[in-house]
Amino acid sequence: DAKTTQPPSMDCAEGRAANLPCNHSTISGNEYVYWYRQIHSQGPQYIIHGLKNNETNEMASLIITEDRKSSTLILPHATLRDTAVYYCIAHGSSNTGKLIFGQGTTLQVKP
Amino acid sequence: NAGVTQTPKFRILKIGQSMTLQCAQDMNHNYMYWYRQDPGMGLKLIYYSVGAGITDKGEVPNGYNVSRSTTEDFPLRLELAAPSQTSVYFCASSLETGGVETQYFGPGTRLLVL
Repeated sequence: DAKTTQPPSMDCAEGRAANLPCNHSTISGNEYVYWYRQIHSQGPQYIIHGLKNNETNEMASLIITEDRKSSTLILPHATLRDTAVYYCIAHGSSNTGKLIFGQGTTLQVKP
Repeated sequence: NAGVTQTPKFRILKIGQSMTLQCAQDMNHNYMYWYRQDPGMGLKLIYYSVGAGITDKGEVPNGYNVSRSTTEDFPLRLELAAPSQTSVYFCASSLETGGVETQYFGPGTRLLVL
């Protein structure tokens, strides 16, 4: 799997959009970009994934650059409950069973 | 569906003791995983399994053993507990479809080795 790079921490005001960046410059063609989050002391939770196109679900939007070297997770209206560590992972099916979590970005949503 | 369940939630072990962390999933997922997470750190993969009877090492397998006799269960065994194994242990399962693999995690087991 390609290495990903994320800022260690970010702040966001409650009600505003939170934009979390991720760099994956060595991503290969068959690797998807996945985002998970971990709220304090809980198990990680899947948020969204994408290959080339932008994706949206009930939790978030994922914007992937055309060259696929970076992506941004967008939480459109952040709430205090979105305070968590967010992990960006580039993973392909050729590495099934070896999802590797990095250090992630700690997002602090402030009132 | 209960999803991924783990027992116990918390355990204190003495150095040299042994224990088994239990993990079960009821989603008929082929793949199962064990991670550990030390305080303030990310998750590290210990062992994983792509199906019953098949297991493989992850990043940090030393001091642990696993078995996968059924699709549902994936226990993690600590034979001689050491203080370095104090951590939170997460079990996860996933189903790979069309190149996409989404993992579902259990609530974790907190282990303290004294």
